[in-house]
Amino acid sequence: QKEVEQNSGPLSVPEGAIASLNCTYSDRVSQSFFWYRQYSGKSPELIMSIYSNGDKEDGRFTAQLNKASQYVSLLIRDSQPSDSATYLCAVNTLNSSGGSNYKLTFGKGTLLTVNP
Amino acid sequence: DAGITQSPRHKVTETGTPVTLRCHQTENHRYMYWYRQDPGHGLRLIHYSYGVKDTDKGEVSDGYSVSRSKTEDFLLTLESATSSQTSVYFCAIRKTGGNGYTFGSGTRLTVV
Repeated sequence: QKEVEQNSGPLSVPEGAIASLNCTYSDRVSQSFFWYRQYSGKSPELIMSIYSNGDKEDGRFTAQLNKASQYVSLLIRDSQPSDSATYLCAVNTLNSSGGSNYKLTFGKGTLLTVNP
Repeated sequence: DAGITQSPRHKVTETGTPVTLRCHQTENHRYMYWYRQDPGHGLRLIHYSYGVKDTDKGEVSDGYSVSRSKTEDFLLTLESATSSQTSVYFCAIRKTGGNGYTFGSGTRLTVV
């Protein structure tokens, strides 16, 4: 059973601070990693994808991947109250033939609250 | 919003009745998915499709069936609804050339 683990939170940070969200995964051959944001009562929205070890930055968001440690994180700089949402980590793994199985496994999400 | 429409948006049904949820896309993408989302469980894959008439099971497929007779439509059927199937159901597509998914707005299903 491929697993994706996240702290459920809630993670509470003050406005302007850096929010750090973490995710670990069990399948060592996982290839593609995604962060989704989900506001209450809404559908998940893709905000970041990362495929290689290291950092990937997009505006206030930075995704970090360490395949050796099976760890992916999301940093949100200058957090805003509008960033308050649940953040879902998702992982795409390989099938038995070594190709992508085109299925994403999601963590249960971390609830982030940014306090004004 | 990536041309995905789910219907209905809300439905209340009685235990033992059949229910069909519809996912419609306008962009001809090959891969379509049905997930359910429940508190404490996150998003779990029910079934997915990789082409017309090509479908496969996900991790929570018991009690559900799917059909895809046209590229644009992916139907999820609960043959005999149970209270444990009360959930929010999301359809998603994988855009050609990408790996991430785009989600529909969801269907909130209540089985009483």
